[in-house]
Amino acid sequence: GESVGLHLPTLSVQEGDNSIINCAYSNSASDYFIWYKQESGKGPQFIIDIRSNMDKRQGQRVTVLLNKTVKHLSLQIAATQPGDSAVYFCAETLLNAGNNRKLIWGLGTSLAVNP
Amino acid sequence: EPEVTQTPSHQVTQMGQEVILRCVPISNHLYFYWYRQILGQKVEFLVSFYNNEISEKSEIFDDQFSVERPDGSNFTLKIRSTKLEDSAMYFCASPRAPNSPLHFGNGTRLTVT
Repeated sequence: GESVGLHLPTLSVQEGDNSIINCAYSNSASDYFIWYKQESGKGPQFIIDIRSNMDKRQGQRVTVLLNKTVKHLSLQIAATQPGDSAVYFCAETLLNAGNNRKLIWGLGTSLAVNP
Repeated sequence: EPEVTQTPSHQVTQMGQEVILRCVPISNHLYFYWYRQILGQKVEFLVSFYNNEISEKSEIFDDQFSVERPDGSNFTLKIRSTKLEDSAMYFCASPRAPNSPLHFGNGTRLTVT
């Protein structure tokens, strides 16, 4: 059933360290995965995506790893900065018959960067 | 600034009243989505809209909800008779291209009293 007032997992890191945020997805048929960053009072902001035919993709300071065997996704942030403090969501999608991509969201992880 | 613009940023309404949330998505795109996020909870899919029709909706999107595209650019979510549990952040999203990531607006915070 639905939970009320979910407590987000929290990751606390020192500025300059690397961060790893993990996510387990639910549907083995999902073919596209996205990481979003949400700062307080703002909408989710796209960070990086990966398609199911890949297992790693790199962006600027960020890397996404996909392990389809165990349905696991991770986001690595290099040299974490105070501006990286936010809630991070993974989302999975599958291309349904209508070419409509509905996002299925994870719970989110709160990243706190200590100066 | 986000490419998707939502108004108002905050709406306070009394239970039973109708509210209309507005979105101006990325121009020239055919797919639009509404999501909501109750404080401290997951982001939840409400409805997707393609080519002026609803293409998919969730169980949350009951008869109290409707979406329209009243003109070529605006996209609205209407809640006919608000309930306390409708209090949430409502996000509009659209992709730049059919198979590209969704880009979200900054949301409308709806407070039902």
